[in-house]
Formats: sequence, structure tokens, C-alpha cells
Amino acid sequence: EPEVTQTPSHQVTQMGQEVILRCVPISNHLYFYWYRQILGQKVEFLVSFYNNEISEKSEIFDDQFSVERPDGSNFTLKIRSTKLEDSAMYFCASSWDRANTGELFFGEGSRLTVL
Amino acid sequence: KNQVEQSPQSLIILEGKNCTLQCNYTVSPFSNLRWYKQDTGRGPVSLTIMTFSENTKSNGRYTATLDADTKQSSLHITASQLSDSASYICVVSARDTDKLIFGTGTRLQVFP
Repeated sequence: EPEVTQTPSHQVTQMGQEVILRCVPISNHLYFYWYRQILGQKVEFLVSFYNNEISEKSEIFDDQFSVERPDGSNFTLKIRSTKLEDSAMYFCASSWDRANTGELFFGEGSRLTVL
Repeated sequence: KNQVEQSPQSLIILEGKNCTLQCNYTVSPFSNLRWYKQDTGRGPVSLTIMTFSENTKSNGRYTATLDADTKQSSLHITASQLSDSASYICVVSARDTDKLIFGTGTRLQVFP
């Protein structure tokens, strides 16, 4: 069964360092998303991406964050200068249709620890 | 403000027993409601998705109900198994946004 894959599964970084989290969405999907979950809290929306551009972003997704689909398969989330509060599990998701109608498939997550 | 609330926060049951989890939401304009299962440290996996016009949907031993008038949903698990131990998250989407709104989840533990 097709699945969303994410790398790395766990990354430890120093505050102020740049981090890139990578995702390979399901191959025929058109919509891509990043969510995050701080330990013990709800899953929160960060950004949605369609047709090579951001379609929606949350207030969390500030100038320190960026997303890119550099080729036909990868979808990346970059955090330019990490802060302690960026420590969380980051989930990539993809869907064939828009999120408010179609089913989202989530990856297993990338755990980011900022020291 | 769009919100999703779930109860109970946690639940312990014995293997083979049934249980029901609750979800209340204030999301407008409503598009659909989903239930996800999330194992510890893993990504959410979809169980059911229901639109405004659907009031029940089953997926094996999982049955979700939706009352769009009272803005409530429930997830009923029949004949629980040890592998059902996980967090169950109610997620609601609105028509005018890509953002899914997640509840805090109910942590279910099934003991032998």
C-alpha cells in the first residue's frame, strides 16, 4: 500500500541551526501538508502546498519556516534558525483532493529535538 | 473560535469489552469529521470520515456516529483488542480552509 515516508525519523540540533525535514508523499497526490505535535499537545497545522506554492499557512509558520518541492517526489520543510520551542514531532501528509474533502495520509513523523 | 473537544482524556478497558469515545466540535462552516488512530510516536491513521449528511460509518470494529445538529460525534469500538491501545483523535475540517482541526485525543489502554 502506498505510504508517505519521512526522513530523518529523529534529529537533534543546537539552537540556531538550520534543519531540513524531508518527505516523499504518495506519488499521485496533489496536495501536501506539514503538521506538528509538541509532546503532550494537539496536532497543529503548519502549511498546505499545492501546484508548487503555499495555499495556506498558520500563524505558527513564520519567516523561519519554508517549504519546497524541489523535484517531482520530495517535499521539504526547512527551519532556518531553530528555537527550543521548535522541538516537536513534525508530520508530513498528502492527499489527492483538498484537505477539507479528501482523505489525508500521514507519514510516521520526524522528531526534532532542539538543545 | 473553531475547536474540537474530546472525552474522556483517557480510558482503561479489558480486552473484549466495548467502549465509546466522545467528540464535540464548534467548527463552521462544517465540511467533515474524521476519526484517527495514533499509536505512540507514530503518525495518525484514518479510521472514518463523515460528511454532514452521514450519521454513521463503520470500519471493521470501529463505528463512528455524527449528529451535525448538536455538533457531536462518537467512536464506538467493539470487542476491543490489545492492539487497540492508542490515542483516538477526532478531527474536523471546515469548508473554507485546508487546516484540519485536531482534538486532544482520548488515550485508550486495553489490558488482558
